[in-house]
Amino acid sequence: ETGVTQTPRHLVMGMTNKKSLKCEQHLGHNAMYWYKQSAKKPLELMFVYNFKEQTENNSVPSRFSPECPNSSHLFLHLHTLQPEDSALYLCASHKNRETNYGYTFGSGTRLTVV
Amino acid sequence: DQQVKQNSPSLSVQEGRISILNCDYTNSMFDYFLWYKKYPAEGPTFLISISSIKDKNEDGRFTVFLNKSAKHLSLHIVPSQPGDSAVYFCAAKPGVNTGTASKLTFGTGTRLQVTL
Repeated sequence: ETGVTQTPRHLVMGMTNKKSLKCEQHLGHNAMYWYKQSAKKPLELMFVYNFKEQTENNSVPSRFSPECPNSSHLFLHLHTLQPEDSALYLCASHKNRETNYGYTFGSGTRLTVV
Repeated sequence: DQQVKQNSPSLSVQEGRISILNCDYTNSMFDYFLWYKKYPAEGPTFLISISSIKDKNEDGRFTVFLNKSAKHLSLHIVPSQPGDSAVYFCAAKPGVNTGTASKLTFGTGTRLQVTL
C-alpha cells in the first residue's frame, strides 16, 4: 500500500453507463493527478489538481469529468465511454516543493468498456 | 509527438549481470528526470531521480546517468536480481519547483526480465 488508494480496482461498464473512479490520499500531498495508461503507450496525463483547483486539462474528452472536493480526494466521473477508453487509470499525488519530485501512485483502476 | 522515448520495449538480463535501461528526450526545457518501476497490478513506484545540474546519481544498486548534450539518460542496475523484473518508466519535468503542481512526462516503459 503506497498511501494512495484507488477504488474500484477493476471496473467493467457498458457504453451507456455512468460510473465514478475514486482516489484518496492522506499523505498531506496537495497536488493530485489522473493518468491513463493504454497498452504500448506512455502514461498520458489527463488532469492536474493543485490545492483542489484544476490547473491542467490535457484535452481530455468531456465524457471524463474530474472532481476534487478537497486535497485528499479525487474522483473521475465517467459517462458514455467508448471501447477505446479501456485502460488502466492511475491516480497520483505529490507535495509541492518536495525535493525529489516523485509522485506517489495508486494501484490503478483497470477499466473495460464493453 | 513523444517527448520522452524508451526505444527498447523489453530487455532480458541474467541474474548478477548489469541491466542498462535507456531513455531519450527531446524537450530542452526538461531539467529533472526520474525513473519509476512498475509491477503488474500495481501503480508505478518512484525509484531514483537526477537533476540536470548533475550527470550521475547513485542509490545502492541503482545509478542514473544523464548526458544533457545527447539528451539521453540511462538507468544501471548492478547486480541485477530476479525481483528487479518489472516495467521501468523514464519521466521528465521542465522548470524549477515553483510551488505549482509539477507535471511529469513519461516514456512508454521498458520491460526488464532478470533470468536465473
